[in-house]
Amino acid sequence: DGGITQSPKYLFRKEGQNVTLSCEQNLNHDAMYWYRQDPGQGLRLIYYSQIVNDFQKGDIAEGYSVSREKKESFPLTVTSAQKNPTAFYLCASSPAGRNQPQHFGDGTRLSIL
Amino acid sequence: GNSVTQMEGPVTLSEEAFLTINCTYTATGYPSLFWYVQYPGEGLQLLLKATKADDKGSNKGFEATYRKETTSFHLEKGSVQVSDSAVYFCALSDFSNFNKFYFGSGTKLNVKP
Repeated sequence: DGGITQSPKYLFRKEGQNVTLSCEQNLNHDAMYWYRQDPGQGLRLIYYSQIVNDFQKGDIAEGYSVSREKKESFPLTVTSAQKNPTAFYLCASSPAGRNQPQHFGDGTRLSIL
Repeated sequence: GNSVTQMEGPVTLSEEAFLTINCTYTATGYPSLFWYVQYPGEGLQLLLKATKADDKGSNKGFEATYRKETTSFHLEKGSVQVSDSAVYFCALSDFSNFNKFYFGSGTKLNVKP
């Protein structure tokens, strides 16, 4: 079955440490996205990529970095510069074109040790 | 600019009751509108969508109509079940801006037996 796989499901970060969240899709979608979700709130866009080797900052990119070396992969690194990283992180993808929905993975919950 | 406003939750209903979750939007162009559902600890799942004015999206007994005159996309279901308990997100996509999604803050639905 096609879908989006996020790993790990739970992740713990120590102070001053960078951590990388994995996102892989086998839907052959061109666009991929990273969102942050805080309790009781909507989704905020961190980064997005419309094609391989290209990505843009979203609304809250500070303290995060991404790469898009392959169409199916879009890893997110939470750097030590992100002072409040505890949140639920969601990866999504969508086909190119108008009216296309975004498809989501099951998320990674990041906590501070 | 673009934004989505949802009714505050939680909404608590008894099984078989009628459900309405209000959603209104502000958009600069001609957005597509979506409802997503999120179960605890999971990602968002597409519930339904509508791509132009007066379109009705429907799925699993849920429906919503794209009302341009009132800038609304209210979610309805005639008879809710305990299994419908989840958080529901209204969203719009702006194709003029790389298909960026704008999400509401979510409405939690609790259905009691």
